[in-house]
Amino acid sequence: GEDVEQSLFLSVREGDSSVINCTYTDSSSTYLYWYKQEPGAGLQLLTYIFSNMDMKQDQRLTVLLNKKDKHLSLRIADTQTGDSAIYFCATRRSDYKLSFGAGTTVTVRA
Amino acid sequence: NAGVMQNPRHLVRRRGQEARLRCSPMKGHSHVYWYRQLPEEGLKFMVYLQKENIIDESGMPKERFSAEFPKEGPSILRIQQVVRGDSAAYFCASSPGGDYAETQYFGPGTRLLVL
Repeated sequence: GEDVEQSLFLSVREGDSSVINCTYTDSSSTYLYWYKQEPGAGLQLLTYIFSNMDMKQDQRLTVLLNKKDKHLSLRIADTQTGDSAIYFCATRRSDYKLSFGAGTTVTVRA
Repeated sequence: NAGVMQNPRHLVRRRGQEARLRCSPMKGHSHVYWYRQLPEEGLKFMVYLQKENIIDESGMPKERFSAEFPKEGPSILRIQQVVRGDSAAYFCASSPGGDYAETQYFGPGTRLLVL
């Protein structure tokens, strides 16, 4: 199986919260990231968390890390149409190689 | 400050032809990384370069693939004698350099289709 796994699709109603889940296999991961990709654009770093943290909040974004279960999630509060995009989970040890999931396509419906 | 630029954005090649993908890092960045995304898979690390040096090419196929980052000009990922299995999105990222923990900034990718 893949090193980083995430579900491929998520549909959410505008104004609701979105939760995107990710599991990883490498327990040595020290940095865990969420990237966003809009159509035709590059991957934009949304937020990241160090492995010694279990939660990080940044405006509408909340990252939760369960290191024991190797589970990472991204919650987007009050989801807007502009949040429609592909969201990638990625991990890294102490070197430069990022390991990515296949991406979750989030569709926000009115 | 312009972001990471990649061109072409889309490239179509027939089997056996060569593909050249270009990446211009962000201004002031001297480290470049190439990743490949096969359909329905995550991005996979291919190669890490600094100016005129290949630091790590452990993720790059041994044959037909090469990468360079010359003193002047963009980084080039070159695929010779392309095959259908090379069809993928190729992403380039750059960072300022000097710290492995620093953020990598990604370009929009080149979608390669091999007919």
